[in-house]
Amino acid sequence: ELKVEQNPLFLSMQEGKNYTIYCNYSTTSDRLYWYRQDPGKSLESLFVLLSNGAVKQEGRLMASLDTKARLSTLHITAAVHDLSATYFCALATGGFKTIFGAGTRLFVKA
Amino acid sequence: EAGVVQSPRYKIIEKKQPVAFWCNPISGHNTLYWYLQNLGQGPELLIRYENEEAVDDSQLPKDRFSAERLKGVDSTLKIQPAELGDSAVYLCASSRAGGDTEAFFGQGTRLTVV
Repeated sequence: ELKVEQNPLFLSMQEGKNYTIYCNYSTTSDRLYWYRQDPGKSLESLFVLLSNGAVKQEGRLMASLDTKARLSTLHITAAVHDLSATYFCALATGGFKTIFGAGTRLFVKA
Repeated sequence: EAGVVQSPRYKIIEKKQPVAFWCNPISGHNTLYWYLQNLGQGPELLIRYENEEAVDDSQLPKDRFSAERLKGVDSTLKIQPAELGDSAVYLCASSRAGGDTEAFFGQGTRLTVV
């Protein structure tokens, strides 16, 4: 069974701190997406990771992909309140299915 | 460039009533998706279209759900009759081609069945 598991599912952190969200998946794929969703809003694409070892950074967020370990990480550096949202990883399989994780609810406290 | 447009944003209906959602994808995007998102969970694919062809509808509950994309552009998703458990957010997304490209999501329709 294809599974995409995120942890933690809920994260409360102080401004200025660093933290990492993990996304594990159960089948081979070399295409993984990270999305952000604000309450009541749509999903916004953050990163598309296309191959093993891919690393992408945008502002305080950095995403990486290790296809051998079937693991992607989203690292938050010096968190600010505006980063509070739910973050989803999603795996694209060979059959053009995209499977989403359950999401990580991030709350950054001022 | 306009994003994916969905309507209505909110819908409240009584159980056993029909309901329909509409989606207009980004211009030039051949692939259209309908997702279901329950509270506190990630989106789950209901159906994927390549142009006007439904290429993956394995997760669509066909006894009460139907979808169409007649001219390969706009799409509608219908539920008839609605059940209490159908209360969720229905998201439409589009991408340029196939399933291996980045998908752009609409704001969703929040359905409440009472």
